[in-house]
Amino acid sequence: ETGVTQSPTHLIKTRGQQVTLRCSSQSGHNTVSWYQQALGQGPQFIFQYYREEENGRGNFPPRFSGLQFPNYSSELNVNALELDDSALYLCASSPIPGLAGTADTQYFGPGTRLTVL
Amino acid sequence: SQELEQSPQSLIVQEGKNLTINCTSSKTLYGLYWYKQKYGEGLIFLMMLQKGGEEKSHEKITAKLDEKKQQSSLHITASQPSHAGIYLCGADPWGNNRLAFGKGNQVVVIP
Repeated sequence: ETGVTQSPTHLIKTRGQQVTLRCSSQSGHNTVSWYQQALGQGPQFIFQYYREEENGRGNFPPRFSGLQFPNYSSELNVNALELDDSALYLCASSPIPGLAGTADTQYFGPGTRLTVL
Repeated sequence: SQELEQSPQSLIVQEGKNLTINCTSSKTLYGLYWYKQKYGEGLIFLMMLQKGGEEKSHEKITAKLDEKKQQSSLHITASQPSHAGIYLCGADPWGNNRLAFGKGNQVVVIP
């Protein structure tokens, strides 16, 4: 069974640039969630994708956007990068989409460390 | 919004000693997750608790959720250097797999 994978491992960008991060979900999982973890903080929920559509969003501006593909892999795109976007970006997959009243374990990838200069 | 407070923020223990860390919620928890994270790496799933009074164990780690489902503790017996890391508790406030996390408990185990 293949776990959650993310690419790239590290990335350095400058303010104003755009970045794309990629995630492959664990085998059999059709739901992908993205989190941002700033240094010394817990992860913060960005958004979740199910069946190629956004299925819930946290308190992040529209310049954070995503995609999910038919094979359940996902991308996180961030436009107009700001210094505060520097963080570890984590992708998590789960087998169900988070329907109200259900809960299932999310499995996390190793993360992408983004540094904005 | 769901707020999780983890205590102590950090602790240092001698190898072989027991330790307990806590996670307290401002609201009733629907699901409570414990993850472990090595610095700068991904989260490793440890345990999930859903029912009031529930207790789960895996190897030397035991997690409990209180009856009111607002506090969880994680206990490590006879700690080893491999137990060092950051322990994060996450809550699923609405049962929809969108987790809110505390800031973590940093555990250092001295050989």
